[in-house]
Amino acid sequence: QSALTQPASVSGSPGQSITISCTGTSSDVGSYNLVSWYQHHPGKAPKLMIYEGTKRPSGVSNRFSGSKSGNTASLTISGLQAEDEADYYCCSYAGSSTFYVFGTGTKVTVL
Amino acid sequence: EVQLLESGGGLVQPGGSLRLSCATSGFTFTGYAMSWVRQAPGKGLEWVSGASSSGGSTYYADSVKGRFTISRDNSKNTLYLQMNSLRVEDTAVYYCAKGGAGYCSGGSCYARFDPWGQGTLVTVSS
Repeated sequence: QSALTQPASVSGSPGQSITISCTGTSSDVGSYNLVSWYQHHPGKAPKLMIYEGTKRPSGVSNRFSGSKSGNTASLTISGLQAEDEADYYCCSYAGSSTFYVFGTGTKVTVL
Repeated sequence: EVQLLESGGGLVQPGGSLRLSCATSGFTFTGYAMSWVRQAPGKGLEWVSGASSSGGSTYYADSVKGRFTISRDNSKNTLYLQMNSLRVEDTAVYYCAKGGAGYCSGGSCYARFDPWGQGTLVTVSS
């Protein structure tokens, strides 16, 4: 099972909006509304930002939003802030044989 | 407050074994599947293994199947990962996480990892 495809890097200025794509297949992203997104600052524990494609856990800023179309999921960060600079990973449930597949990861840089 | 604390990492030679532990608190351990996820140096996250809430169902990534065994002691609120026949490519930070249900069919399913522990480093080298 190959990793989901994400852009290696995305950058934006403070206050701007950026979108990170996550492309899978009809066996994972396209088959289940079970995509989650994680923010990872190096040396710290990854943090859940979005689950089930569009839902935001309690305590996560509403500047983070998720969507899905076909085999591609997306994470949008609006009103970009310096603290958003981190690595971001998508993850999809992929059925009861493969179970879970993560994305390749995207480094977000705030200019 | 939900807390997960991994331990047991270290340096081991290729072919060796290591047992990781993840002590948890702050939530009903028996109510959730639990998982292990790893990150090799300079690489992305990789799901490794999961166990159902009872421990009766366990599931593995192909890369570790037959070498790693996940288990849980619900009386101690602790998750384990027994790693045998270790390879250089198993070198990584290993995180435990709450969630990661193995069998999701229709409806909602706890197919997410939240929260995560701080991780424990496993280095496989001669």
